[in-house]
Amino acid sequence: QKEVEQDPGPLSVPEGAIVSLNCTYSNSAFQYFMWYRQYSRKGPELLMYTYSSGNKEDGRFTAQVDKSSKYISLFIRDSQPSDSATYLCAPSGTSYGKLTFGQGTILTVHP
Amino acid sequence: DGGITQSPKYLFRKEGQNVTLSCEQNLNHDAMYWYRQDPGQGLRLIYYSQIVNDFQKGDIAEGYSVSREKKESFPLTVTSAQKNPTAFYLCASRGDSGANVLTFGAGSRLTVL
Repeated sequence: QKEVEQDPGPLSVPEGAIVSLNCTYSNSAFQYFMWYRQYSRKGPELLMYTYSSGNKEDGRFTAQVDKSSKYISLFIRDSQPSDSATYLCAPSGTSYGKLTFGQGTILTVHP
Repeated sequence: DGGITQSPKYLFRKEGQNVTLSCEQNLNHDAMYWYRQDPGQGLRLIYYSQIVNDFQKGDIAEGYSVSREKKESFPLTVTSAQKNPTAFYLCASRGDSGANVLTFGAGSRLTVL
């Protein structure tokens, strides 16, 4: 079993839809939960991160962590074509900078 | 603007040749990383360095080598011992936010002919 599992998709939605991207993980030591966005042929960029369980909102994006079920979610409201990218979840524990990345979910938002 | 510069962006190599990918950062970050990205496999850690003149193997270090002689630079050499080197290579650095947040370069795509 991989430490982090993420549905690779691809996921295709119409503009304005609510998107749910999910990851599961097996390591209970994970405390930081990152979401990176990667446009085609570019490096990933940090979208948002949360510490421990709970929700965090940033504009149209909401990150949710449920440590009891080891489940991570990213919700995108009012999705836009500019949101089309690969989304990577990346939890980490106290291991110094050693992130464990999910496989990435390819999202396409069509007008 | 502060950031990470990777070069070359595209590189073609014949089998049996070594090739070195450059990574330079002006963020004054101590820690630097090399990842490999293949379709459907996410990012896998090759090597990382937390301080100058020190580096550690990641999960897939075989066939790769690195050096860290300067804080700003962390070059990666893909040797002929790497059996499947065609991939997208990403360099990253980490600051002192305490949250393991990485800043990535734009990547280098290596194709072995």
